Amino acid sequence: QQPVQSPQAVILREGEDAVINCSSSKALYSVHWYRQKHGEAPVFLMILLKGGEQKGHEKISASFNEKKQQSSLYLTASQLSYSGTYFCGTGANFGNEKLTFGTGTRLTIIP
Amino acid sequence: ETGVTQSPTHLIKTRGQQVTLRCSSQSGHNTVSWYQQALGQGPQFIFQYYREEENGRGNFPPRFSGLQFPNYSSELNVNALELDDSALYLCASSSMGRGEQYFGPGTRLTVT
Repeated sequence: QQPVQSPQAVILREGEDAVINCSSSKALYSVHWYRQKHGEAPVFLMILLKGGEQKGHEKISASFNEKKQQSSLYLTASQLSYSGTYFCGTGANFGNEKLTFGTGTRLTIIP
Repeated sequence: ETGVTQSPTHLIKTRGQQVTLRCSSQSGHNTVSWYQQALGQGPQFIFQYYREEENGRGNFPPRFSGLQFPNYSSELNVNALELDDSALYLCASSSMGRGEQYFGPGTRLTVT
């Protein structure tokens, strides 16, 4: 089943902070976060693994609550370049994840 | 380091025809996953290839098939095209055991 993301869309002024949530009904091993701009491919941002390991972007942080099967992506001091649609992808097994992507969150940053 | 590339960029086909899409994985990666992304939706997993073998498949019919070659590049073949097959087809390469997947620019397929 597809993870549910919230909010569906958000508009921020440059410099403001944002939190995007991803919730799954299945047990997860990993959560992957991607940003996709219109007409472009998804760009890898971060992966969070069961057990606490994280790999990803310097200016973006995220959390993974394994018990609740939830992850949150934190964007601080947002820049215009952060605009796009954010997707979480969830994986059940490490190393060969067949990702199930969420519903997406459209983020618009205005000057 | 060479990124993930896909060809062609755009394609228009007629219902009932067959299509082949190609993907070259990023240098050092041995696994390729294919996804279908309909307009306004998140990518949907089609299948994954590792060491030239299919390593998992999503909820797609057998008319979606693939190949992986010794150089880790991959093909996605779709037979008997339907109008609903119109979508952006993305491939993602990764290293088995590393987790993170890197997407190519995609092939936009339109079926008329």
